[in-house]
Amino acid sequence: DAKTTQPPSMDCAEGRAANLPCNHSTISGNEYVYWYRQIHSQGPQYIIHGLKNNETNEMASLIITEDRKSSTLILPHATLRDTAVYYCIVLDTGANSKLTFGKGITLSVRP
Amino acid sequence: EAEVAQSPRYKITEKSQAVAFWCDPISGHATLYWYRQILGQGPELLVQFQDESVVDDSQLPKDRFSAERLKGVDSTLKIQPAELGDSAMYLCASSSGVLYGYTFGSGTRLTVV
Repeated sequence: DAKTTQPPSMDCAEGRAANLPCNHSTISGNEYVYWYRQIHSQGPQYIIHGLKNNETNEMASLIITEDRKSSTLILPHATLRDTAVYYCIVLDTGANSKLTFGKGITLSVRP
Repeated sequence: EAEVAQSPRYKITEKSQAVAFWCDPISGHATLYWYRQILGQGPELLVQFQDESVVDDSQLPKDRFSAERLKGVDSTLKIQPAELGDSAMYLCASSSGVLYGYTFGSGTRLTVV
């Protein structure tokens, strides 16, 4: 019962920006948008999260639409090492909240 | 940077045998999770601990799976007896609060033959 919808795959050229979309039309007011990624044969890695404002860290930027029904993860200068499955997840921060993963989007960065 | 330690990294076991996985979370993280990931799918939560107490084990197949975190620090996940369908990656994660994100270990790749 993943609350997000992501396309199954996309690719981009090395050095270019990768824009990964996510739809979460049923998001509640107290739910955050989280992004994790999983490089082959490794555990998922936290990237970024946000509530309603755009966020930026050393890895990526997160753009959330004003109505909060969708968001975009931006990798500003994709490298071959960014090839991974990216998961968009919404959840509240209650005591018993837990990450529920969907299928994610497979990003392939080509040379 | 602090890491979640898991062992073994790989495990091959025969059907009907017992198998156990170990996880050492980041020091101070009260919440610990075990996930199972079948090839091509996203991770699925099996059990969640808060300190030594189970908070959620609704997806844990309790007839064959058990998990414990006796002193509220490291944790063990056991399968007995193992079945072919248990072949998967078993991931452990810890958190000091969901707002701060989860840190995952590298996982244990289990193959049941």
